Amino acid sequence: GAGVSQSPSNKVTEKGKDVELRCDPISGHTALYWYRQSLGQGLEFLIYFQGNSAPDKSGLPSDRFSAERTGGSVSTLTIQRTQQEDSAVYLCASSVQAGTYNEQFFGPGTRLTVL
Amino acid sequence: AQKVTQAQTEISVVEKEDVTLDCVYETRDTTYYLFWYKQPPSGELVFLIRRNSFDEQNEISGRYSWNFQKSTSSFNFTITASQVVDSAVYFCALTGPSGSARQLTFGSGTQLTVLP
Repeated sequence: GAGVSQSPSNKVTEKGKDVELRCDPISGHTALYWYRQSLGQGLEFLIYFQGNSAPDKSGLPSDRFSAERTGGSVSTLTIQRTQQEDSAVYLCASSVQAGTYNEQFFGPGTRLTVL
Repeated sequence: AQKVTQAQTEISVVEKEDVTLDCVYETRDTTYYLFWYKQPPSGELVFLIRRNSFDEQNEISGRYSWNFQKSTSSFNFTITASQVVDSAVYFCALTGPSGSARQLTFGSGTQLTVLP
């Protein structure tokens, strides 16, 4: 597609359940980023991929969070044993390649609500 | 190592007024990039501008203009003759080599409301 797409757009889950969030970057973009936007924390960086590798996972808030990217395209962010504090909008972005120069293009986000 | 401050949490103006959104940043890098993004009610972040640290020339794009001053570490954004459609949250962001993983470091955002 023309832009970054994310699915689902909304996800409501019960505490303790696992969830998977999907991101489809702009075609040809080798870098992919995950951010989280919540009321108390603003926009937080979680992880980025250059190709299929994630050089830095230090932004992931806990070991319940993991992400993978296959084929240099689609990425999945998985949250295990969800907690109420995981409720937020999860944003995905892509850029031509990872680098400070390149602007990142964002998807519409997935709104996660943990009951 | 990197920090972006948007001191204005909310601004409300009447249509056709000019409005300036402030952004102050901190970084130890000598080469860095500054960005502004717009987040309308739909939620999708929209890229507005990128500026590198060596280019202090002010930029104008239609009703939008940006004032970059390294001496005060500021990158302010002005909307001239504001319109209701400008209502959104505006984020200033910074990236540079010292920021691990090439991520954008965002300010907390300024909610702009333009009243008809």
